[in-house]
Amino acid sequence: RKEVEQDPGPFNVPEGATVAFNCTYSNSASQSFFWYRQDCRKEPKLLMSVYSSGNEDGRFTAQLNRASQYISLLIRDSKLSDSATYLCVVPNTGGFKTIFGAGTRLFVKA
Amino acid sequence: DAGVIQSPRHEVTEMGQEVTLRCKPISGHNSLFWYRQTMMRGLELLIYFNNNVPIDDSGMPEDRFSAKMPNASFSTLKIQPSEPRDSAVYFCASSSTGGAGYGYTFGSGTRLTVV
Repeated sequence: RKEVEQDPGPFNVPEGATVAFNCTYSNSASQSFFWYRQDCRKEPKLLMSVYSSGNEDGRFTAQLNRASQYISLLIRDSKLSDSATYLCVVPNTGGFKTIFGAGTRLFVKA
Repeated sequence: DAGVIQSPRHEVTEMGQEVTLRCKPISGHNSLFWYRQTMMRGLELLIYFNNNVPIDDSGMPEDRFSAKMPNASFSTLKIQPSEPRDSAVYFCASSSTGGAGYGYTFGSGTRLTVV
């Protein structure tokens, strides 16, 4: 099992739709998790942190399920500007070898 | 704050040439990371510095790659000699708290093409 696995993309959704991505991780000792967003030909940027059961920021909700070892990202009322690649990030117990998932591509269409 | 600054933005070089990538982290950040991103392998951590000291370079692909951080405001990643398979986007990132459990700020990256 890979250390971090994400839903394969791309996801193609219309504006206004709700879309969810999942990310599974293998290290049960991981305590914190992150979602990064990467626009085409740009650098990754931190989108959300998840330290406990979940986190909500406007249209974005990140949830953590420790028992099943996955985190999810829910985007409500999708906008064209949400089109990007979403990277799931899991620090390992060593403290610095943060593992980035391969990313899930999202395309929001008008 | 200007953020993490990388140079050059683009580099095209011939196989066998030496390539040097540069990074200026955010002032006050004590951790610096070099990543490489390709379509096939995604984002890979090459090396991690903490307080200017290399902590883990196990991600450096081979001896052709070397990295230095002579002071808190500057780091270099050198490839000598370069090969076509080194073509990728190289990102530098910095963090204020060691990286684990805290988000990183990435530079804009250097897009390297080795022909």
